[in-house]
Amino acid sequence: NAGVTQTPKFQVLKTGQSMTLQCAQDMNHNSMYWYRQDPGMGLRLIYYSASEGTTDKGEVPNGYNVSRLNKREFSLRLESAAPSQTSVYFCASSQGRNYEQYFGPGTRLTVT
Amino acid sequence: RKEVEQDPGPFNVPEGATVAFNCTYSNSASQSFFWYRQDCRKEPKLLMSVYSSGNEDGRFTAQLNRASQYISLLIRDSKLSDSATYLCVVRGAGNNRKLIWGLGTSLAVNP
Repeated sequence: NAGVTQTPKFQVLKTGQSMTLQCAQDMNHNSMYWYRQDPGMGLRLIYYSASEGTTDKGEVPNGYNVSRLNKREFSLRLESAAPSQTSVYFCASSQGRNYEQYFGPGTRLTVT
Repeated sequence: RKEVEQDPGPFNVPEGATVAFNCTYSNSASQSFFWYRQDCRKEPKLLMSVYSSGNEDGRFTAQLNRASQYISLLIRDSKLSDSATYLCVVRGAGNNRKLIWGLGTSLAVNP
């Protein structure tokens, strides 16, 4: 039981390049989330998916797109990376009436 | 006013000490409350949910005061391995799945 997995762990992009961050969970959770974490800013929600087939914007969606591929997988795409998107990206999933969230190990992205 | 506020610390305590963190939240309709722990360069991990009646898990005790809109975390007999950042987290009302995250309180337990 791996929980939440993310790939890649590290990535360096040049400005304007695109990439997709992958996330998968094996806990049969309905809801999945993408966050970014920057020093002094805390965790900020980019997008979330309440259930398979639905996605909604979070606090900082600009410059990102998401796909809920199936119940297990939720990907985050940067179409044209910018230095402001340098951050640590975390995927999470949740289930249950209190919606406790469980996190993947993160992707450290640098955009030069 | 921030939705969830915490004292950033750092708290520096010796091993064996008791340390307490407080957190205040602004939305009186908030439904669920949590403490997460985050080690340096790692993902946040759920430490405990906070229930209205208060709850304890080993050396950790969490309390909720709805009237004053604050949550507390008490760590007894601190261990070196407790050194981390502790994040206070609040969920909004109803079926709102979004969590509101505090910036965290840094704890360093010293030998």
